[in-house]
Order: sequence, then structure tokens, then C-alpha cells
Amino acid sequence: GAVVSQHPSWVICKSGTSVKIECRSLDFQATTMFWYRQFPKQSLMLMATSNEGSKATYEQGVEKDKFLINHASLTLSTLTVTSAHPEDSSFYICSAQSHSGNTIYFGEGSWLTVV
Amino acid sequence: AQTVTQSQPEMSVQEAETVTLSCTYDTSESNYYLFWYKQPPSRQMILVIRQEAYKQQNATENRFSVNFQKAAKSFSLKISDSQLGDTAMYFCASATYNNNDMRFGAGTRLTVKP
Repeated sequence: GAVVSQHPSWVICKSGTSVKIECRSLDFQATTMFWYRQFPKQSLMLMATSNEGSKATYEQGVEKDKFLINHASLTLSTLTVTSAHPEDSSFYICSAQSHSGNTIYFGEGSWLTVV
Repeated sequence: AQTVTQSQPEMSVQEAETVTLSCTYDTSESNYYLFWYKQPPSRQMILVIRQEAYKQQNATENRFSVNFQKAAKSFSLKISDSQLGDTAMYFCASATYNNNDMRFGAGTRLTVKP
């Protein structure tokens, strides 16, 4: 079946540094990818929608300059957390929509801890 | 805009018995999808079942079935013959017809007891 891979699965970074999380669709082309954030024991909150070759659409309240999203190809979207702070520590999940648009596939998620 | 409400933060069921998880939603879309996702401790999101709003027939996947009441905007999940491996968080979600803008409920933590 279709697979979406996220890397890294776990990352620890120092406060003030930037960290990049990759989301790849391994066996299909994803015209649209979505980034979610999940705090412990809470639901998934949509952060932004990224379309290949265009700027991401951010949800209200999500800082565009802090959470940089790039979708440079049909198989890769990246989320860069800039100037990370401890409150950015969370579980980040991506999902990808197949070109046909019929199905959404989720990545395994990435744990970010900012110390 | 879409909103999804799950009013049961936690539920438990004895192994082999049946449990129903509740979900209500609100949407301004005329065509949309509804989903139930399972999130085990690994945090991987696993699609349990999907319902297309324009289909009146309730979706079924083996032990999992839904009761889709479109007029009431209700979308409950029934798990029959519960198994220990069903223990997980369950999220109800809705999405626009082209699968954009998927929104999730707060989740229900289901524990299957031996």
C-alpha cells in the first residue's frame, strides 16, 4: 500500500536553533500535503496545507515565519521549525493526498523536543 | 468550516463485547467524507473506516461499522467482538469532498479489558 515516511522520528534540539522535518510519499505523487501538530493526550490540529510548487496555506494562529513549509516536489514536503523554543516541543504528523485525491495517507510522525 | 465533536474522552469494553463510540459533526459542505482513525501508542494514524456523505448505506469493515445519520450529523463507530489490539485512541474526522481540510475530534481513548 501507499506509504508516507517522516524523518526524523525523534529529534532533540537546543532552544534557538532550527530543525527540519521531512515528509515523503514513497510510492505515489502527492499534490497536497498537510502538517498537523499533536500535543500529549490531545487531538491533531491542522497547521498548514502545502501544495507542490506554491506557498503553503496556514491555519489561523500558526506563525508562518516560525513554521516554514516547503513543498518543492510531488514527493517531498518539509517543515522547518525556526528559532525553536521549549513550547514548540510536540508531535508533528504529516499526511499526503494522492494525485487522484481519493485517499489521505499519514506519516509515522516526528517527536520534537526542544531543550 | 467543519467541526467534529467526540463527547466520550474515555471508554472501556470487555474483550469480545461490542462498544459504540459517538461522534457528531457540523459542516457547510454538501459533499464530504467522514472517517474514523485509530491511533495506537505508536502514534501511527490508522484508517479504520471511511464514509462518503452522499452514500446512504453505512460503511462496514469487518468488525467495524458505522451508524451514519446525515440529518442528525451523527457518525458513530461500532466495534464488534472487541479485541485487546483495539485498545487505542480513536479519532473521528471529517474532510471536504476533495479531501482537503481534514478536521479531527478530540478523540476517545478506548481500553479493551481481558
